[in-house]
Amino acid sequence: DTAVSQTPKYLVTQMGNDKSIKCEQNLGHDTMYWYKQDSKKFLKIMFSYNNKELIINETVPNRFSPKSPDKAHLNLHINSLELGDSAVYFCASSQGDGFSNEQFFGPGTRLTVL
Amino acid sequence: AQSVTQPDIHITVSEGASLELRCNYSYGATPYLFWYVQSPGQGLQLLLKYFSGDTLVQGIKGFEAEFKRSQSSFNLRKPSVHWSDAAEYFCAVGAREYGNKLVFGAGTILRVKS
Repeated sequence: DTAVSQTPKYLVTQMGNDKSIKCEQNLGHDTMYWYKQDSKKFLKIMFSYNNKELIINETVPNRFSPKSPDKAHLNLHINSLELGDSAVYFCASSQGDGFSNEQFFGPGTRLTVL
Repeated sequence: AQSVTQPDIHITVSEGASLELRCNYSYGATPYLFWYVQSPGQGLQLLLKYFSGDTLVQGIKGFEAEFKRSQSSFNLRKPSVHWSDAAEYFCAVGAREYGNKLVFGAGTILRVKS
């Protein structure tokens, strides 16, 4: 059973389009995250949700909107895609806070904007 | 501001040789320290974690790390590297004072030659 799953695994799209990435965790965790890993492999947090409430928003452009319909799901919607959005996006989850507990990562979604 | 430095972008070792990956952090608080590994095309997996107690921490896959407060370092070691250890390794730091998140280093790519 996959603990943290993301769909799709690959996403190729044109500039200006709107796209969504879905994430689901079956670990029963109460906190979920979105990270962006750029071409230099630098991993940076974008958002964090705890029990469906947004608790971290790291100065991400408004074009990015996370949505958490329930504790097990955290989706990422991106409007008006730009070339600079090309990256690998990772979803993660943890039980409790995100600074002291292990985070479990999904396999990533590679987004390519043409 | 908090930061995590992994000074080595790439390291190549021979199979069977010992390994040390360096990590230095800049935090005013007592941090939680983590090492994660990312295999190609995969998400991150936790190797080990330190917060308090014995400064030498054992992890999975035969890895260990030593916390040195005086040097603000948390270096990862393995006595004998296997070809399957080839991956990218990320040091991460968290602290309550800096919010519900981890700050990651830029990663070190490990290549293993036979």
